[in-house]
Amino acid sequence: KQEVTQIPAALSVPEGENLVLNCSFTDSAIYNLQWFRQDPGKGLTSLLLIQSSQREQTSGRLNASLDKSSGRSTLYIAASQPGDSATYLCAVSAGGFKTIFGAGTRLFVKA
Amino acid sequence: EAQVTQNPRYLITVTGKKLTVTCSQNMNHEYMSWYRQDPGLGLRQIYYSMNVEVTDKGDVPEGYKVSRKEKRNFPLILESPSPNQTSLYFCASSFLGGRNTEAFFGQGTRLTVV
Repeated sequence: KQEVTQIPAALSVPEGENLVLNCSFTDSAIYNLQWFRQDPGKGLTSLLLIQSSQREQTSGRLNASLDKSSGRSTLYIAASQPGDSATYLCAVSAGGFKTIFGAGTRLFVKA
Repeated sequence: EAQVTQNPRYLITVTGKKLTVTCSQNMNHEYMSWYRQDPGLGLRQIYYSMNVEVTDKGDVPEGYKVSRKEKRNFPLILESPSPNQTSLYFCASSFLGGRNTEAFFGQGTRLTVV
């Protein structure tokens, strides 16, 4: 059964710092992996989608990588800002079209 | 504007009173899905649908029903709600194949069953 783990569960950094969020999954037979941002009491906003055949995707200050063989993905945030404070979720879509989410990393960027 | 719309946003109901949460998308997506989000448990998939009249169970389907009679709509039905179904519910949609399988989420429905 596919399991998705995100480390750390919470992270507090000063503004301007570069940071890495980690996501690991137990079954490498995935269709794609997606990173989301969730603000308190709000819905999920898609940040980056990586198809299983891709190694990385970039959008602005965000870069996500995927290593299927090791079951890992990282989300790199450059020059963090207070507005980046949110919960970051990764989700894998696997065979049978099920989607499994990690528990998320709660990020706080201090001004 | 491309969006997934859920209604209602907030709902308080009593145990056993049937309710329906609606979900509609305007992007012609084949794939639609329902999730519940609970503290400490994260997002868990309830049901999903790959196209009209094609639905399947996710990880926590007990106590829920869905239907997909039209491509744009995917309602979630609680025939006899119980307090353990108090949760934050999200609907999502995406294309099934090709490179553009990005998932779009609704704003959520906060359900309280008393």
